[in-house]
Amino acid sequence: EPEVTQTPSHQVTQMGQEVILHCVPISNHLYFYWYRQILGQKVEFLVSFYNNEISEKSEIFDDQFSVERPDGSNFTLKIRSTKLEDSAMYFCACRERTSTDTQYFGPGTRLTVL
Amino acid sequence: SQKIEQNSEALNIQEGKTATLTCNYTNYSPAYLQWYRQDPGRGPVFLLLIRENEKEKRKERLKVTFDTTLKQSLFHITASQPADSATYLCALDPNYGGSQGNLIFGKGTKLSVKP
Repeated sequence: EPEVTQTPSHQVTQMGQEVILHCVPISNHLYFYWYRQILGQKVEFLVSFYNNEISEKSEIFDDQFSVERPDGSNFTLKIRSTKLEDSAMYFCACRERTSTDTQYFGPGTRLTVL
Repeated sequence: SQKIEQNSEALNIQEGKTATLTCNYTNYSPAYLQWYRQDPGRGPVFLLLIRENEKEKRKERLKVTFDTTLKQSLFHITASQPADSATYLCALDPNYGGSQGNLIFGKGTKLSVKP
């Protein structure tokens, strides 16, 4: 079964620092997503990405966040100046084509902001 | 306001019984609804998708129903096993007919199946 990989599995950073979270989606998938889950809370949509541009973003995804697909395989989420409230699990997801195709989630990166 | 709610935070049942989980939504008109399983510290894993014109969908011991009048989906696990213990999430696409596919999730129901 194809899988999404994410690195690192755990990232600890100081408030105000920049972090980049890495994802390698499934190779023939066209749509890419980032979600986050604060401990004990629901999974929340951050941003969707298709055809090398952001297609939709939530209110959470403010100017501190950015995404890139720098090459044919990686998909990154950057947080420019981390805040304490950015501490959460960040999940990358992808799907092949249509909106009803299965979304495959990665194992997540646990971000801890001190 | 728009809401998606899973009424039970936790559900404890005995092995072999049927678990029934509920998902209700308000002020959405989803074209489909999905159910995911999430184990502690892991990402959600897709289980089933049911479209608005489908009343029921089955996969092995899993069954999902979708009532667009009641704005409710029920998720059943028959002959439950301790290995079914996990948090189950319902999710919908808020953009009816849209191609983006981003999902809005409920908070989940934590199912514990006791041997």
